[in-house]
Amino acid sequence: SQQGEEDPQALSIQEGENATMNCSYKTSINNLQWYRQNSGRGLVHLILIRSNEREKHSGRLRVTLDTSKKSSSLLITASRAADTASYFCATVRNSGNTPLVFGKGTRLSVIA
Amino acid sequence: GAVVSQHPSWVICKSGTSVKIECRSLDFQATTMFWYRQFPKQSLMLMATSNEGSKATYEQGVEKDKFLINHASLTLSTLTVTSAHPEDSSFYICSARSIEAGAGDEQYFGPGTRLTVT
Repeated sequence: SQQGEEDPQALSIQEGENATMNCSYKTSINNLQWYRQNSGRGLVHLILIRSNEREKHSGRLRVTLDTSKKSSSLLITASRAADTASYFCATVRNSGNTPLVFGKGTRLSVIA
Repeated sequence: GAVVSQHPSWVICKSGTSVKIECRSLDFQATTMFWYRQFPKQSLMLMATSNEGSKATYEQGVEKDKFLINHASLTLSTLTVTSAHPEDSSFYICSARSIEAGAGDEQYFGPGTRLTVT
């Protein structure tokens, strides 16, 4: 089953612009993770934010988490053509051996 | 970082035959591995949780007799698609989490196996 929704489903921007993707989920979580997937390829882990954290940065990535609204956002600053990919949020309900449950994803196109 | 491999990376088989996909954690041990399926332009859907030494736990709507999972060791899980049909054509991805202390919550994903049933 899928945990929630990302929006927008598709996003097209010019190189250099910022891209913001949002994710909503339904249940309480232990942590939320963002992944990137290039077309037909495997997943690349981007960042993990725990339920007691509100914001996290990694390079050009900024993730926020609002547990009261059950939502998260991923901001990619100064986007590059190489950032073109699908981005998924995934949640973990409990620590330990519980699976990641993925959202529907956002397809990002960065135009050079 | 931790590496998960899958074999084969792609496979074409005829309708009615069975296909086995292997998922290995190369440099860590995992008591639990997860199998996902992804159709074109869609997200990953969890199929089952594979537990070393015990039966897999399947998600609702996934046929356990069609998708056989065996977790024979702490580094290997296999998914066998039995009597494959064209609608089983998909991208199958496994993941694993290290059992080692301090490993954290990150799940490591394999590169995926693209199955095409003709």
